[in-house]
Amino acid sequence: NAGVMQNPRHLVRRRGQEARLRCSPMKGHSHVYWYRQLPEEGLKFMVYLQKENIIDESGMPKERFSAEFPKEGPSILRIQQVVRGDSAAYFCASSPQGSGANVLTFGAGSRLTVL
Amino acid sequence: AQSVAQPEDQVNVAEGNPLTVKCTYSVSGNPYLFWYVQYPNRGLQFLLKYITGDNLVKGSYGFEAEFNKSQTSFHLKKPSALVSDSALYFCAVWTGRDDKIIFGKGTRLHILP
Repeated sequence: NAGVMQNPRHLVRRRGQEARLRCSPMKGHSHVYWYRQLPEEGLKFMVYLQKENIIDESGMPKERFSAEFPKEGPSILRIQQVVRGDSAAYFCASSPQGSGANVLTFGAGSRLTVL
Repeated sequence: AQSVAQPEDQVNVAEGNPLTVKCTYSVSGNPYLFWYVQYPNRGLQFLLKYITGDNLVKGSYGFEAEFNKSQTSFHLKKPSALVSDSALYFCAVWTGRDDKIIFGKGTRLHILP
C-alpha cells in the first residue's frame, strides 16, 4: 500500500522555464493539499483540492501558479516562468476526507531549484 | 485570524533529559491540534493529535502533548530524550470552516549525546 507519491523528487529549472510537480495520493484518498517549505519559513499552505475541484487556493500566488486534480491521474502543481524565489520544497499531502480531525499523509516532497 | 505559533526556532536538550517543544494557537471554536515531525529530506510524519477529551495526548515514539485551553497551548513533551529524536517538529491546527490545516514555522530539536 504505497503512501503519497511525489515526483520528481528533485527538479532543476532555469529562470523562465516551467515546472510541473506531480502527486499521487494514497489509495482511497480523494483530498489533496499542497504546501511549500522555505528555509526559516516553515510550511505554507498553498491549495486544497478534491477530484476535479479546487476547494481553497488562498495560499497560491495569483500569477504563474496553478493546480489541478483530474478525475484520473495525479494532482499537478504547475509553476510557469519560474523565478529564483520559487526554489523550495513542495510537499503534497492527502486525506480520505476533508482535513478536520483527519491525519494528513505527506509525500517525501519535490525539491525545485531554479538557476 | 487562525494561527499557530512556535516561539522557539531551536531547542537543545541533553540525551536522557526531558524535552518540551512549545506551541500556542489562535482559532475560533474548539481546536483540533496536531504535531508532526520531519526528518532530513523526508515528508512530515504524524505524531499525535488532540480533538477532544483528555488534555494529555499520547503519541508515537514516546511523545505526548498537553492541551491547555486557558493558555491556548499544546506543548509537545517527552520524559527522556533520545539522539534519534533530533528533527524538525511542526505544530498544526485545523482552521474549522476553511477546512484546512495550517502549520507553525517549525522548531528544530537537537538532542545532544
